[in-house]
Amino acid sequence: SAVISQKPSRDICQRGTSLTIQCQVDSQVTMMFWYRQQPGQSLTLIATANQGSEATYESGFVIDKFPISRPNLTFSTLTVSNMSPEDSSIYLCSSRGGRTDTQYFGPGTRLTVL
Amino acid sequence: GDSVTQMEGPVTLSEEAFLTINCTYTATGYPSLFWYVQYPGEGLQLLLKATKADDKGSNKGFEATYRKETTSFHLEKGSVQVSDSAVYFCALSKNYNFGNEKLTFGTGTRLTIIP
Repeated sequence: SAVISQKPSRDICQRGTSLTIQCQVDSQVTMMFWYRQQPGQSLTLIATANQGSEATYESGFVIDKFPISRPNLTFSTLTVSNMSPEDSSIYLCSSRGGRTDTQYFGPGTRLTVL
Repeated sequence: GDSVTQMEGPVTLSEEAFLTINCTYTATGYPSLFWYVQYPGEGLQLLLKATKADDKGSNKGFEATYRKETTSFHLEKGSVQVSDSAVYFCALSKNYNFGNEKLTFGTGTRLTIIP
């Protein structure tokens, strides 16, 4: 299984600012995913990040609000732009590699927007 | 669309009790099914999985069997411990097109084990 790290682990931000979350995988992986977990809720997929192509966003999520980069097979970033208190959530990245259908998750980034 | 329905929580049990957390799904085709666990303050960890009908996934004393006839994947453990206190998520994964799939999660069930 892949080992995934995320930075920062938590942050407190002011409304109107932006935060970039980094996700690093210890091996090359085909697919990386970004999820949001709002307080007390389940996980919702934001987008799928493929290396060398534009991210694919789920309904309700747009690139201007959540720009994603995937510069290589081990790294991705998610930016939460122009933040409001409603963006306060845990953001998790996951990866899937090779022929497995299993996604492995990072520890998450706990974001609080004031 | 695809969906996962989980037993409502929270669930509180005494140590060494038998655990069942119900999970049913709606999906066309042949999804893979997963249980993930989230310990307090941590990310999600894969607990077990099953990829086809009648498969049984097992790990750390937990088991779940993929039942296509009842579209279920109930999580069971014979004797729970305090360290099992966590939130448990049932999920399914299906390929929508080649190389691109999506995990659909249930709402999660918070489990608390008291000594």
